[in-house]
Amino acid sequence: QKEVEQNSGPLSVPEGAIASLNCTYSDRVSQSFFWYRQYSGKSPELIMSIYSNGDKEDGRFTAQLNKASQYVSLLIRDSQPSDSATYLCAVNFSGATNKLIFGTGTLLAVQP
Amino acid sequence: NAGVMQNPRHLVRRRGQEARLRCSPVKGHSHVYWYRQLPEEGLKFMVYLQKENIIDESGMPKERFSAEFPKEGPSILRIQQVVRGDSAAYFCASSPDRGRDSGANVLTFGAGSRLTVL
Repeated sequence: QKEVEQNSGPLSVPEGAIASLNCTYSDRVSQSFFWYRQYSGKSPELIMSIYSNGDKEDGRFTAQLNKASQYVSLLIRDSQPSDSATYLCAVNFSGATNKLIFGTGTLLAVQP
Repeated sequence: NAGVMQNPRHLVRRRGQEARLRCSPVKGHSHVYWYRQLPEEGLKFMVYLQKENIIDESGMPKERFSAEFPKEGPSILRIQQVVRGDSAAYFCASSPDRGRDSGANVLTFGAGSRLTVL
């Protein structure tokens, strides 16, 4: 059973701090990794995608991938109250299809 | 350029009725995915379709659920004889054909259809 694991939270950080969200996955041949943000009652929206080991930065967001440890993380610098949402980690376990498997999400609460 | 369009946004059915959820992908996208999200839970994969073909239905319940993506028109997720446990948000996503240099392509999600079974 291929799985994606996330701490459900809530993760509470003060405004301006760095929020660190973590995700582990069960299959070493996974190729593609995504972070989606979902506000309550809304649809998921893509924040970051990462395919290679290392860091990928986009504005205040940095995704980090370590395939040997089967670990992917998302850092949010200078956290804002508007960042408060559920963050979903998603993994493409097979190169043969585009199917993504999602973790259950981590609820982030940024305190003003 | 419209995104993924889902309708209805909200649907109320009584137990035993049928629910039909429709999804029009992003223009030019040929891959459609259906996910179900129960309250306070993550997204669960249901089915992956291309035009006129079901590619992966490993997440579909064995009974009462079916999906299609015809040559013309939207993708349809059909739930027959609904039960209270079917109450959930059903999200459709689409993606283009696989990019040359990437693994999976990015999925774009619709706003979801929220089914309530009384």
